Amino acid sequence: EIVMTQSPATLSVSPGERATLSCRTSQNVNSNLAWYQQKPGQAPRLVIYGASTRATGIPARFSGFGSGTEFTLAISSLQSEDFAVYYCQQYNNWPPYTFGQGTKLEIK
Amino acid sequence: EVRLVESGGGLIQPGGSLRLSCAASGFTVSSNYMTWVRQAPGKGLEWVSLIKSGGSTYYADSVKGRFTISRDNSKNTLYLQMNSLRAEDTAVYYCAKDYDSSGYFDYWGQGTLVTVSS
Repeated sequence: EIVMTQSPATLSVSPGERATLSCRTSQNVNSNLAWYQQKPGQAPRLVIYGASTRATGIPARFSGFGSGTEFTLAISSLQSEDFAVYYCQQYNNWPPYTFGQGTKLEIK
Repeated sequence: EVRLVESGGGLIQPGGSLRLSCAASGFTVSSNYMTWVRQAPGKGLEWVSLIKSGGSTYYADSVKGRFTISRDNSKNTLYLQMNSLRAEDTAVYYCAKDYDSSGYFDYWGQGTLVTVSS
């Protein structure tokens, strides 16, 4: 099973600033990595797939980078609606699909 | 418009059984990979099970032998039969559609809460 490690657990950033979230995998997953956003009481929402491709309707301020075992989700010029928990997920080696433990992006 | 609506959650005693449903609209369940993901209270996401369009099924080790994923093509509905439930199965259960058999999930339902407690 591929283990996913996200850092930091909590990230405090001011609106308008840039946020950088990290995800590390225990094995090479190539570019088979997705990012999801989850707000309280809501289902997850796909943000990035293929490590760097934005999902439908996701603003250009969201960017994904990386391949292999190191990945980054960057959000430039944070808006109020961006504060949420973000999860990475690998889909290179399955079953099982595995998720990171999440990074909570909070308002500073 | 793609829509997924889960139902069937509730309070159940340890050792009991429950069947979750996920009614789909806007696409055909049988033509897609479909998955169940759960989230324990205050915790992260955990993949539970997947059914391929061809009918093959896969399970997390934590539920293998206790849970069964299936679908009813005539009702365009996905199911999760959960037997021998344990306290650690307490979670919100989401159904999700796999994008083009890729392994990531582009549409999610709103979730249904299963609480296993005496």
